[in-house]
Amino acid sequence: NAGVTQTPKFRILKIGQSMTLQCTQDMNHNYMYWYRQDPGMGLKLIYYSVGAGITDKGEVPNGYNVSRSTTEDFPLRLELAAPSQTSVYFCASSGGQREGSKLFFGSGTQLSVL
Amino acid sequence: GDSVTQMEGPVTLSEEAFLTINCTYTATGYPSLFWYVQYPGEGLQLLLKATKADDKGSNKGFEATYRKETTSFHLEKGSVQVSDSAVYFCALGGAGGGNKLTFGTGTQLKVEL
Repeated sequence: NAGVTQTPKFRILKIGQSMTLQCTQDMNHNYMYWYRQDPGMGLKLIYYSVGAGITDKGEVPNGYNVSRSTTEDFPLRLELAAPSQTSVYFCASSGGQREGSKLFFGSGTQLSVL
Repeated sequence: GDSVTQMEGPVTLSEEAFLTINCTYTATGYPSLFWYVQYPGEGLQLLLKATKADDKGSNKGFEATYRKETTSFHLEKGSVQVSDSAVYFCALGGAGGGNKLTFGTGTQLKVEL
C-alpha cells in the first residue's frame, strides 16, 4: 500500500538554485494537490490538478510551477529558490468527484533555502 | 473567502482527561467539515468528517458535530491517551471545483502520564 509517495524527504538549497519535488500516487486518483506548511500558519494550497493535463493555481502559487502529464505524477518545480520558500511541502491526492472527499497525504518534504 | 479558525496550542493534558479543541469556520454555501491529525514526522490523516448540518463525525473515540447555527465543528474526546499526542487540523471543503480544502492553523496536543 504505497499511497502517496514524495521524494526527497529533506533538502537544503542555496538561494537561486532550482529543484523538483516529486510526487506519485498509485490510487488512480484524479485530484492532486501541493500544500506548504509553515509553523503556526497551517497548510496553504500552492497548486492543484483535477486530472492529467489540467492544473490550476491555489492560494500561494508564486515561485512554483507544476505539470500533470500522467494521472500518477504531480511534480512541483522551484525555479529560483528563495528563503521564503523554506517550508514543509505536502503532496496529496483525492479520488472523489463531489466536494469533501478524503485527501491522502504523503509524508512531506522538508526544504531549507539558505 | 472561506476560512477556518482553531484554538491555539499547545494543549497539554493528563492521560484520561477530557479534550475539546475548538474550531469555527466562515464559508459560503454548505461545506463539508473535517478533522485531520498529523503525528510526528508524518503527513496528515483524515480523523473524521461531517458533510451536512447536525451530522456527527466520529472515529477512534473522537467526535465532532457540524453546527451550522454557530458555524462550529469542535473536536472532543472523553479520555485522551498518550498516543493521541499530535497536531490536529480543522478543515472545510468549499463550494468551488477541484475538491480543495481550507485548513486551520492546527492545534498541538500533548498528553502526559
